Amino acid sequence: QVQLQQWGAGLLEPSETLSLTCAVYGGSFSGYYWSWIRQPPGKGLEWIGEINHSGSTNYNPSLKSRVTISVDTSKNQFSLKLNSVTAADTAVYYCARETGTKAPFDQGVDVWGQGTTVTVSS
Amino acid sequence: SYELTQPPSVSVSPGQTARITCSGDALPQKYAYWYQQKSGQAPVLVIYEDNKRPSGIPERFSGSSSGTVATLTINGAQVEDEADYYCYSTDSSGDHRVFGPGTKVTVL
Repeated sequence: QVQLQQWGAGLLEPSETLSLTCAVYGGSFSGYYWSWIRQPPGKGLEWIGEINHSGSTNYNPSLKSRVTISVDTSKNQFSLKLNSVTAADTAVYYCARETGTKAPFDQGVDVWGQGTTVTVSS
Repeated sequence: SYELTQPPSVSVSPGQTARITCSGDALPQKYAYWYQQKSGQAPVLVIYEDNKRPSGIPERFSGSSSGTVATLTINGAQVEDEADYYCYSTDSSGDHRVFGPGTKVTVL
């Protein structure tokens, strides 16, 4: 059964770069899209973007200018970088797997990481 | 950008039926997924591809979709079903995913 384990810095100052990595264990890495999702305190879920094993990416238009998602197939890992963070980027960040019978043009999350709390404060 | 719409809250008594709607212009062409999130926990998939239930999800959870509205139904809601529920889908381009704003379900 596939498991996602994520890690990264939990406390950042404004203008720094958020960096998180997610490792995939126990399942196939290729053939899926891998995504990042976040949830500010007390608010709803927001899709950040996704990547496949070939490095093909899709991003949320509202974050696209600041986001980079990359993949390391040799380690079955994918990473998120979000630059120029502000307090509005404070959130729990989740990595996740996307799948579906009509993937990649129509897919949803079926496996979630444990979440990482990232706080942006001076 | 593409948006999904959900009611902010739904309240039912134990044993009653809770229905949560999700509206979006691309839903006639794209699947809806539904997630349950309890306080302090990661979301859990309860319905995928409009009406399919993952293994381990109780049969009281069901989904449907008609036109621009997808619906999550909890038949015989239980106290343990109290949670936030989010719909999730894809825009018409097929490149961007979006969550609905979430619906808080209260069972009391």
